[in-house]
Amino acid sequence: DIQMTQSPSTLSAFVGDRVTITCRASQTISRWLAWYQQKPGKAPNLLIYLASSLESGVPSRFSGSGSGTEFTLTISSLQPDDFATYYCQQYSAFPGTFGQGTKVEIK
Amino acid sequence: EVQLLESGGGLVQPGGSLRLSCAASGFSGFTFRTYALSWVRQAPGKGLEWVSAIDGSGDFTYYADSVKGRFTISRDNSNNTLYLQMDSLRAEDTAVYYCAKGEAVTTNYNYWGQGTLVTVSS
Repeated sequence: DIQMTQSPSTLSAFVGDRVTITCRASQTISRWLAWYQQKPGKAPNLLIYLASSLESGVPSRFSGSGSGTEFTLTISSLQPDDFATYYCQQYSAFPGTFGQGTKVEIK
Repeated sequence: EVQLLESGGGLVQPGGSLRLSCAASGFSGFTFRTYALSWVRQAPGKGLEWVSAIDGSGDFTYYADSVKGRFTISRDNSNNTLYLQMDSLRAEDTAVYYCAKGEAVTTNYNYWGQGTLVTVSS
């Protein structure tokens, strides 16, 4: 199975900060990568697919980039509603696998 | 708007069985059967783990190694419902189980249910 590694595991930031989360794949996955946001007690919510395509209804402060084995999720100006855990997922090869998550906390 | 609603979770003893259901709405009767569906779980305080998937016709099923031989996925396209039969349950199966919809068996998921908690404990 393809291993997905996110960094950092936890991130503390202020409202208004620019935040970047990195996801690395153990082998190349082209651009078959998604990002999800999950809040406590809720299901994950798709933010980004195909590495950089914004899901309908997701604010434009979220963006994704990368290809091959290294990817980033950027929040351009962190809002109070953005404090949550973020997961990357590869769907290049069966089975789709998730990163371990990055928790974004209020500083 | 597609909606997925899981049910059937609860407390079960090790070695026991449980059947989860996921009722889908917002599909037309034709559209439901064109989509693969998956179960994804999340142990308490842990990350997301894909568990099982089924193609739109129900002819092809797929399982994580951790549940192969113990769990069975199925679907009823006439009732827009997905199932997960879980047998020989272990403590490590304790998790919130989500049903999720994407475009294929291996896919990103653009719709998720709210989840149902399965607790395996004596």
